[in-house]
Amino acid sequence: GESVGLHLPTLSVQEGDNSIINCAYSNSASDYFIWYKQESGKGPQFIIDIRSNMDKRQGQRVTVLLNKTVKHLSLQIAATQPGDSAVYFCAENINTPLVFGKGTRLSVIA
Amino acid sequence: KAGVTQTPRYLIKTRGQQVTLSCSPISGHRSVSWYQQTPGQGLQFLFEYFSETQRNKGNFPGRFSGRQFSNSRSEMNVSTLELGDSALYLCASSLAWQAYGYTFGSGTRLTVV
Repeated sequence: GESVGLHLPTLSVQEGDNSIINCAYSNSASDYFIWYKQESGKGPQFIIDIRSNMDKRQGQRVTVLLNKTVKHLSLQIAATQPGDSAVYFCAENINTPLVFGKGTRLSVIA
Repeated sequence: KAGVTQTPRYLIKTRGQQVTLSCSPISGHRSVSWYQQTPGQGLQFLFEYFSETQRNKGNFPGRFSGRQFSNSRSEMNVSTLELGDSALYLCASSLAWQAYGYTFGSGTRLTVV
């Protein structure tokens, strides 16, 4: 079946800088995407979602961008903080179980 | 309100044994999904239950099974454990089947020795 993948396995950013985590998806019929954050020893935690009829959605310090033309999703974290250090997953949900990418580990350098 | 509760948090079993993991969804959530997470394969879908019926099943052998009770609590069972079954097993609940919005529990860490 089709799957969601991530471009980068690791990302290191300086505290206070902005972080951008990318995700490529292959199912052009996908209509809903979710970003999850997983800290060590915990389950994935919902960050933000976006439906396919939107290009951008903003939350608190986070923004998700969706480019359906190239089937690309990104998560932007503003003013990255040490507490943002975690593994980030994108997932798609279209009348099927969630399909997760492999994840990107974000490390924040103080 | 309480989140998704998974018990036990940690488990060590021997090859060949069987194990049962439990998941209590968020109050009012009627759909429960199970995922296996390993460093090599990432998060892989096991099965989804809604109204005590399995609605979807992932590509796992028959040794993996589950069930859901009338109160929406769910259990998954793995029989004849293999070393490769060592993983973090995650449960997620949602309001309904194929509903948007899944909330995950903290998982059960299973180690098979």
